[in-house]
Amino acid sequence: DQQVKQNSPSLSVQEGRISILNCDYTNSMFDYFLWYKKYPAEGPTFLISISSIKDKNEDGRFTVFLNKSAKHLSLHIVPSQPGDSAVYFCAASVRGDDKIIFGKGTRLHILP
Amino acid sequence: GAVVSQHPSRVICKSGTSVKIECRSLDFQATTMFWYRQFPKQSLMLMATSNEGSKATYEQGVEKDKFLINHASLTLSTLTVTSAHPEDSSFYICSASDRYEQYFGPGTRLTVT
Repeated sequence: DQQVKQNSPSLSVQEGRISILNCDYTNSMFDYFLWYKKYPAEGPTFLISISSIKDKNEDGRFTVFLNKSAKHLSLHIVPSQPGDSAVYFCAASVRGDDKIIFGKGTRLHILP
Repeated sequence: GAVVSQHPSRVICKSGTSVKIECRSLDFQATTMFWYRQFPKQSLMLMATSNEGSKATYEQGVEKDKFLINHASLTLSTLTVTSAHPEDSSFYICSASDRYEQYFGPGTRLTVT
């Protein structure tokens, strides 16, 4: 049973445009959500997170939106840059529990 | 930010042999360390959670006798893949937690021939 779902395995976006990566979750106990970026043969690097008490968190070009009623979150990257090409993992956890549950990832291609 | 290292970064071993992967937190004491496995085009799968000085907690479906985890100190955890087989070939990633954040290592590519 997949608790964190990223239904788009890949996404291509023109450089300079907005990239929107989507994520759905099923476990209503999740109250902390994270996005990680991963290059091939490297460990994931933390990008941005959001607590369930918020519906938006912004950090530079990255914004995460959370819709608790729909159990949906999204990562917006604007403007998209070539270095943003990577696999993006959505992840969720319950605060106080160290376990993080990952989605399958979405491969983002930024086109020149 | 905090640094977690893994060694080796890449290892090739023959079927039937064992291989050990080290995970170190370089500038903080990790109360908990985690081991993940990533298959091609798949998610990071949590294999086990280890707390220093105690036995690891394995996720369902992960063979504890095959994937031996030792967390001997607050800065070192090891994963030993025993009697490796080609299906164990994967990318193994560790992470270390200092109770506030979780920091990932760079991963180890294991290829079993």
